[in-house]
Amino acid sequence: DGGITQSPKYLFRKEGQNVTLSCEQNLNHDAMYWYRQDPGQGLRLIYYSQIVNDFQKGDIAEGYSVSREKKESFPLTVTSAQKNPTAFYLCASTRSGQVNEKLFFGSGTQLSVL
Amino acid sequence: GEDVEQSLFLSVREGDSSVINCTYTDSSSTYLYWYKQEPGAGLQLLTYIFSNMDMKQDQRLTVLLNKKDKHLSLRIADTQTGDSAIYFCAEGAYSSASKIIFGSGTRLSIRP
Repeated sequence: DGGITQSPKYLFRKEGQNVTLSCEQNLNHDAMYWYRQDPGQGLRLIYYSQIVNDFQKGDIAEGYSVSREKKESFPLTVTSAQKNPTAFYLCASTRSGQVNEKLFFGSGTQLSVL
Repeated sequence: GEDVEQSLFLSVREGDSSVINCTYTDSSSTYLYWYKQEPGAGLQLLTYIFSNMDMKQDQRLTVLLNKKDKHLSLRIADTQTGDSAIYFCAEGAYSSASKIIFGSGTRLSIRP
């Protein structure tokens, strides 16, 4: 079955440490997205990519970095510059990035700070 | 900036109808969505409506859109325990899916 796989499901970060969240899709979608979800808040866009080797900042990109070297993979690194990283992180994809396309979501990664 | 607002909690009795409400600010919204999130999982698209429609029905789900008041609602008929989840309203006003704005989500709990 096609879908989006995020790993790990739970991740702990120590002070000053960078951590990387994995997102892989086998839907052959061009566009991929990273969202942050905090309790009682809507999803906020961190980064998105509409094509391989290209990505754009979303609304809350500070303290995060991404790469898009392969169509199926869009890893997110939470750097030590992100002072409040505890949140639920969701990866998503759409076929080509148009607003009328369905967003497919992974099952998320819960990141906590030790 | 654009905003999407929802109440945070709704509790209904099993078998009753649930109505989840949402208001948005961007009058140029072209697509309005309802997503469902079960505990510890990602979001799944339940249904969506074009801004030139007033109503859309899909089995137990009915979406009503009042474009004048910028008000969207989702009615779930015969609510079941499996409907317990967080429901997100979202609006898209521009050509890119990266511009979709999500509400804070309404947590629906079902009483026996």
